[in-house]
Amino acid sequence: RKEVEQDPGPFNVPEGATVAFNCTYSNSASQSFFWYRQDCRKEPKLLMSVYSSGNEDGRFTAQLNRASQYISLLIRDSKLSDSATYLCVVTYNNNDMRFGAGTRLTVKP
Amino acid sequence: NAGVTQTPKFRVLKTGQSMTLLCAQDMNHEYMYWYRQDPGMGLRLIHYSVGEGTTAKGEVPDGYNVSRLKKQNFLLGLESAAPSQTSVYFCASRKGAGTDTQYFGPGTRLTVL
Repeated sequence: RKEVEQDPGPFNVPEGATVAFNCTYSNSASQSFFWYRQDCRKEPKLLMSVYSSGNEDGRFTAQLNRASQYISLLIRDSKLSDSATYLCVVTYNNNDMRFGAGTRLTVKP
Repeated sequence: NAGVTQTPKFRVLKTGQSMTLLCAQDMNHEYMYWYRQDPGMGLRLIHYSVGEGTTAKGEVPDGYNVSRLKKQNFLLGLESAAPSQTSVYFCASRKGAGTDTQYFGPGTRLTVL
């Protein structure tokens, strides 16, 4: 079983839609959580950190449920420019970052 | 301020050949990392360094060696390349521990025939 699991998708949604991605992790000692975004043939870039209380950045909302070992990312009012692969990342001991395989999103006009 | 740069961008090797991938960062970051990314696998950590002169193994270190002789550079070596090492290699750096952002280089696409 992978340590960080994501639904690979692809998720195909129309512009303006709301879409949610889920991620589960297996190690309860996980300390930090992130969502990264990766465009095709490009490097990953930090989208947002995920805090226990949940956090929001514009159209993006991230939630963490430590009891269920579950992270989510909600994108509201999807834009064409949101099309990318979204990577769930879990950190164990400051340096051991484990990446999910990513969820691919395509937003269509 | 170039951020994180990687050379080369592309390379094709024959089985058994050796090569070194160079990562450079100009942000004075202490921590540097080497990852590989394969389809359906996500990024996997090969080796990392928490400061000049230090290195440590990650999740998939076999077949690779690293060196951090200067703070700004982190080298990844393949002594005897194998087809299983065909992958996209990403270098990343981060200021310190904790929740600091990791900044990634543009990647090196390596094919081993």
